[in-house]
Amino acid sequence: DTAVSQTPKYLVTQMGNDKSIKCEQNLGHDTMYWYKQDSKKFLKIMFSYNNKELIINETVPNRFSPKSPDKAHLNLHINSLELGDSAVYFCASSQGGDRGSYTFGSGTRLTVV
Amino acid sequence: QKEVEQDPGPLSVPEGAIVSLNCTYSNSAFQYFMWYRQYSRKGPELLMYTYSSGNKEDGRFTAQVDKSSKYISLFIRDSQPSDSATYLCAMINTGNQFYFGTGTSLTVIP
Repeated sequence: DTAVSQTPKYLVTQMGNDKSIKCEQNLGHDTMYWYKQDSKKFLKIMFSYNNKELIINETVPNRFSPKSPDKAHLNLHINSLELGDSAVYFCASSQGGDRGSYTFGSGTRLTVV
Repeated sequence: QKEVEQDPGPLSVPEGAIVSLNCTYSNSAFQYFMWYRQYSRKGPELLMYTYSSGNKEDGRFTAQVDKSSKYISLFIRDSQPSDSATYLCAMINTGNQFYFGTGTSLTVIP
């Protein structure tokens, strides 16, 4: 009965590959997010969707493309992976916008070699 | 029981008040503790990062960790309207896994 689940937990891949990270929430929340966490524990917001509509799109390379087939899912597709993409990516959801109560996924540790 | 519990608020205080934000946790394997601040439509920014029990101070902010009670706090002195944001606690266990609280929404009223 995991509230926000993201898969896979670990992903090791070669430079140049294309990969996807999936996120699903069963809380009925209307807003979902993708964050990138760097080695210094800083969290950077990448995208935010509200009811399948993109509402935050920070400056990230256009190799990163979010897809929200419905409000319970927000997937992250990354094309032509680069070494600098190695990080932990967190999915989260909230109800009532970004001042609402958050639930985070457990993170996906991406390593590009 | 969730690994990390945080009262989501919302919390409203008058300008100049001392704010206390709290999280409790159940897993004694947590060893690093963080507080993030998130303004509306922005990403979280790391405010404080602590390891040991005790207090860590940075300007108007004090992070307190009590490992024996599994309780962490963030105190904001002389609160300002610019402190209005959502505050998230986060913890890392010995397996380097992150766990986040749900965030507390704070409004400081001028």
